[in-house]
Amino acid sequence: SSELTQDPAVSVALGQTVRITCQGDSLRSHYVSWYQQKAGQAPVLVIFGKNNRPSGIPDRFSGSGSGNTASLTITGAQAEDEADYYCNSRDSSGNLLYVFGTGTKVTVL
Amino acid sequence: QVQLVQSGAEVKKPGASVKVSCKASGYTFTGYYIHWVRQAPGQRLEWMGWMNANSGGKVYAQQFQGRVTMTRDTSISTAYLELSGLRGDDTAIYYCARGGGPWDEIDPWGQGTLVTVSS
Repeated sequence: SSELTQDPAVSVALGQTVRITCQGDSLRSHYVSWYQQKAGQAPVLVIFGKNNRPSGIPDRFSGSGSGNTASLTITGAQAEDEADYYCNSRDSSGNLLYVFGTGTKVTVL
Repeated sequence: QVQLVQSGAEVKKPGASVKVSCKASGYTFTGYYIHWVRQAPGQRLEWMGWMNANSGGKVYAQQFQGRVTMTRDTSISTAYLELSGLRGDDTAIYYCARGGGPWDEIDPWGQGTLVTVSS
């Protein structure tokens, strides 16, 4: 199976911008989605497709990507954005399989 | 609203099996898939497989082949995950989540079920 690689941790000052990246071969040909997981809670979808936000997700969350890399950007980070973030896509070894990224811990200073 | 509600926490001995349920509401159960994802303490999300709630067709991640069974009862809009041959490293929170949308999104998620494997 393939891997989706993320930086383990990033920090951002309150109100500033942070970008989280996800790298993997499967991203060249499959959609990526992003999930926010706060401590002790189930994951929540924040971005899907090219750059779509579910209802209720603030517009400070946006997605982008090129080639084998996808990015999640938080513009004007808030204290409540402190969480683990995971990307997800299909596995490059088989269209029927899925894989999650290694996860990024975002700390808001 | 669309919601997935899972069964309660389980404690099992090594070698035993566990069956977790996931009841869907607020949408047409057979119009989507159900994914199962687990998370060991302090670890990343691990995708286990998915099941087509309409046909019952399923795909399992390779590392769970032979130990996992995903089923559903469409009459009560409920999906099930059964894991056999439990080991200590199967201790985790098990999540169900809806899939099969046009963008491959997985949403929403159940609240999770803690399975503890201990002698």
